[in-house]
Amino acid sequence: QQPVQSPQAVILREGEDAVINCSSSKALYSVHWYRQKHGEAPVFLMILLKGGEQKGHEKISASFNEKKQQSSLYLTASQLSYSGTYFCGTAPLYNQGGKLIFGQGTELSVKP
Amino acid sequence: ETGVTQTPRHLVMGMTNKKSLKCEQHLGHNAMYWYKQSAKKPLELMFVYSLEERVENNSVPSRFSPECPNSSHLFLHLHTLQPEDSALYLCASSQYRVTGELFFGEGSRLTVL
Repeated sequence: QQPVQSPQAVILREGEDAVINCSSSKALYSVHWYRQKHGEAPVFLMILLKGGEQKGHEKISASFNEKKQQSSLYLTASQLSYSGTYFCGTAPLYNQGGKLIFGQGTELSVKP
Repeated sequence: ETGVTQTPRHLVMGMTNKKSLKCEQHLGHNAMYWYKQSAKKPLELMFVYSLEERVENNSVPSRFSPECPNSSHLFLHLHTLQPEDSALYLCASSQYRVTGELFFGEGSRLTVL
């Protein structure tokens, strides 16, 4: 079952914050976040494992609510370089390797 | 060469042609994947290969045929494709059996006329 991302698209001004959500109807072991710029390969951002651990680096962080089977990606003080399409990938079981089920993506545009 | 490289980057083919996509990874990983990315659709896993396990997605039409001669190389052989197969085909690699990141190539943009 494909996870559902929201919103589908968001436009920000530099310095503004954004939250992207990823919800699954299945129990999850892990949630993975990727960003893809136009014409480029998707790039790994972070993994959240069940247990509700919050992770982050620089101004991008994420959380995983095991009870709700929902993950949220937080982008604070957005920069132009944050523009791209953000995908969450979910794995229902341990040791799924790269057998992820991806959401439909959230297109983020950061304007000057 | 570093990372995951895919060739060709762009391919246009007729429905009766036979062509192949190539992927090579230089990361020492033991698993490789083909993902399909169509417009307005999520990334869709097509095939997984690892030293330990070969997994085929049974919903993938037989006109797509994967080949993995070793842990560094992965091919996707294409024959008698349909226009709806036009998409970006992404190769990825990882350490299998480890919950870790996927390293993607930049993809092969396929157009079927």
